[in-house]
Amino acid sequence: DVKVTQSSRYLVKRTGEKVFLECVQDMDHENMFWYRQDPGLGLRLIYFSYDVKMKEKGDIPEGYSVSREKKERFSLILESASTNQTSMYLCASVSTETSLWNEQFFGPGTRLTVL
Amino acid sequence: GNSVTQMEGPVTLSEEAFLTINCTYTATGYPSLFWYVQYPGEGLQLLLKATKADDKGSNKGFEATYRKETTSFHLEKGSVQVSDSAVYFCALNQGAQKLVFGQGTRLTINP
Repeated sequence: DVKVTQSSRYLVKRTGEKVFLECVQDMDHENMFWYRQDPGLGLRLIYFSYDVKMKEKGDIPEGYSVSREKKERFSLILESASTNQTSMYLCASVSTETSLWNEQFFGPGTRLTVL
Repeated sequence: GNSVTQMEGPVTLSEEAFLTINCTYTATGYPSLFWYVQYPGEGLQLLLKATKADDKGSNKGFEATYRKETTSFHLEKGSVQVSDSAVYFCALNQGAQKLVFGQGTRLTINP
């Protein structure tokens, strides 16, 4: 069964802290994504990765960075957390196989609160 | 740029009512269109999709038809259940497997 897991469901951090959000998928997918979800704004793409060590900026990359050292793991890093980064963070992955084209599989999300 | 607009929520219905959630899009070319659903406490999961004009996606009693002439992909269900309570997201593919999402519509079904 397809599975995307995220390291924490709930996280509380202080302003200025460095924050790591981890995502692991067990489907051998090439592509992985990080979104943030805010009420009234839907999901917005922060970063995505096509392969190990490959990354590209999404629509709202400011204040974030990512790391993909292994195919199954994609990390989102908040270098210096700020209160406006309080949000739900969702990780997703997708295969490049034609039959599964475009179905993104999502993790359960991490609700991050920055105080 | 590409964008997706959904009807404002929240939407509250009684069990067995007819459901429509409107979705319109702006895009260059001919994107694939999707409806994702997020049940309480969970991530998003694909509900249905359509990849070209006049395609109808369907799943779990839900349907949506890709209307190129009206740039719409409205979600419908003939008789909703309490278990359909969730947040529904319309999305389009803007290439390279990247999705653009609407703002989401929260649906509550009362018994």
